[in-house]
Amino acid sequence: NAGVTQTPKFQVLKTGQSMTLQCAQDMNHEYMSWYRQDPGMGLRLIHYSVGAGITDQGEVPNGYNVSRSTTEDFPLRLLSAAPSQTSVYFCASSPDGVALSYEQYFGPGTRLTVT
Amino acid sequence: GQQLNQSPQSMFIQEGEDVSMNCTSSSIFNTWLWYKQDPGEGPVLLIALYKAGELTSNGRLTAQFGITRKDSFLNISASIPSDVGIYFCAGQKNYGQNFVFGPGTRLSVLP
Repeated sequence: NAGVTQTPKFQVLKTGQSMTLQCAQDMNHEYMSWYRQDPGMGLRLIHYSVGAGITDQGEVPNGYNVSRSTTEDFPLRLLSAAPSQTSVYFCASSPDGVALSYEQYFGPGTRLTVT
Repeated sequence: GQQLNQSPQSMFIQEGEDVSMNCTSSSIFNTWLWYKQDPGEGPVLLIALYKAGELTSNGRLTAQFGITRKDSFLNISASIPSDVGIYFCAGQKNYGQNFVFGPGTRLSVLP
């Protein structure tokens, strides 16, 4: 199993550009999530999904969209990038859906810079 | 807003020394997790705690679920260079809810 994969690893955008961060897992996990990591802030939850076709907002959802058309994929879209979205983005998955368990597996991260 | 605090923010220790760090909150949590993040990687789960007072070990790491349920502690014994990284705590208030993460403790180990 590859686990949780994320692409790209690095990305530079200009303000106003749009892009999609890709996340895929091959463990048949129900739960998937996106976090952003900023210095001194830890990990903050952006959006999450408890199963295909179901998504919900986390702590910091503004400026981001998600969809979950398959169990494996959970892309994160930035519609109009802003410098405040400069961060490291992590995708994670967990075997449990509604009954979220502790067992979250994280991808390697995407480092995004918005100029 | 941020619900978990971690201290210290960063620490420099000599190889072989023991390390202690903690995670505190003004709220009660039912589950505590400790993660380690290596440079350039995603966090990896170290220890999970489910009951107040619980003490759990994973090799040289030992974590405790505080009696008040508002804090947790992580100790590393006989530190080695590969212990370098950021250690995060995460808490879950109620079963089925998302976890919240602390800001992390950055550990540096000097040879």
